[in-house]
Amino acid sequence: ILNVEQSPQSLHVQEGDSTNFTCSFPSSNFYALHWYRWETAKSPEALFVMTLNGDEKKKGRISATLNTKEGYSYLYIKGSQPEDSATYLCVLSDLSGNTPLVFGKGTRLSVIA
Amino acid sequence: GAVVSQHPSRVICKSGTSVKIECRSLDFQATTMFWYRQFPKQSLMLMATSNEGSKATYEQGVEKDKFLINHASLTLSTLTVTSAHPEDSSFYICSANTGGETQYFGPGTRLLVL
Repeated sequence: ILNVEQSPQSLHVQEGDSTNFTCSFPSSNFYALHWYRWETAKSPEALFVMTLNGDEKKKGRISATLNTKEGYSYLYIKGSQPEDSATYLCVLSDLSGNTPLVFGKGTRLSVIA
Repeated sequence: GAVVSQHPSRVICKSGTSVKIECRSLDFQATTMFWYRQFPKQSLMLMATSNEGSKATYEQGVEKDKFLINHASLTLSTLTVTSAHPEDSSFYICSANTGGETQYFGPGTRLLVL
């Protein structure tokens, strides 16, 4: 059974601090990994999709890396702002790549002004 | 980006009644949509894949007669929870994609069955 683990479950940081969290997954049968930001009462918003070992993606102050050989991805937020407060979901696609089959439980980030 | 809506956002119903949840792709056509549910403190779990013009594909352990899915058009999929019971209380969310790898999610529907 494919299992996606995210850590920590939640964290609180001060505005301006940088932070990072982890997504771990089985390295076999990997196809693609997605990161989503999910704000309360809104739709999850796609941040990144990564497929290749060593991939690095960046969007503003947020970046992500992927290591498929050891089965982990890091999401980094530089200079956290209150508007970054959300749950960050890590999702794995199967070999077809079309269905996001397995979700992590998410990391809930609270940025304190 | 692509927008997916869901209606209703929240519903409370009595045990034994049926509840219909709509998922719409507002600015794109989706031949395939996906339905998930999330129980408290758990991950989102894929329930079924909704295919326009054909039968839905259900994940193991999901009763197709209890969770009826209809995908009658390229922009609308509905999930009907039939004869709902308190254990069906959950957060239901749908997604669709525009042909690429990114899924676009609706905002979800919180169902409470009394």
